[in-house]
Amino acid sequence: DAGITQSPRYKITETGRQVTLMCHQTWSHSYMFWYRQDLGHGLRLIYYSAAADITDKGEVPDGYVVSRSKTENFPLTLESATRSQTSVYFCASTSGDFFTGELFFGEGSRLTVL
Amino acid sequence: AQTVTQSQPEMSVQEAETVTLSCTYDTSESDYYLFWYKQPPSRQMILVIRQEAYKQQNATENRFSVNFQKAAKSFSLKISDSQLGDAAMYFCAQNYNNNDMRFGAGTRLTVKP
Repeated sequence: DAGITQSPRYKITETGRQVTLMCHQTWSHSYMFWYRQDLGHGLRLIYYSAAADITDKGEVPDGYVVSRSKTENFPLTLESATRSQTSVYFCASTSGDFFTGELFFGEGSRLTVL
Repeated sequence: AQTVTQSQPEMSVQEAETVTLSCTYDTSESDYYLFWYKQPPSRQMILVIRQEAYKQQNATENRFSVNFQKAAKSFSLKISDSQLGDAAMYFCAQNYNNNDMRFGAGTRLTVKP
């Protein structure tokens, strides 16, 4: 099915472990984004990518790593998870002009770091 | 720093009635876009409505309309003839810095039958 999918939907891990959240989109959208959603903060941008092999930091990038070797995939890695990274993570994509276009979101990945 | 503020953490409305969700923003840009996104309990966010700042006419999408007051930096969402399916978290957002979208903290809307 066409769309944007995230995996896993739920993940529990321990402090210090590495975790990778996957994001896959079938539209060949050029732009992809990772947001985290925390109560009282709305969504905050972690990293974004304008195309394959082009990534850049957003508002809250510390502790996260991204890559984009293929247009359709944009994994987010927490190299050494901390409790403050407990959150719901959303991947999004859009084509063409980011500002006039519509962001398409995945269903989210709820991460708990113990 | 650019901020988007939603002053109503929760709102409720009776089915078939009208409700207005408030949003204010702070920007030094003269040209920008504003958005309202809906996040139903299933969590996948969808775009409700979009407004271009240089257009004075308020955007409308079926039962959803906005009241855009550029000088006051206000961007409220009006939902007419509310339906049970409108129950969700609503986020106001503004594009920022050519690569980001700044979101408000959200307003949880409850629709009472």
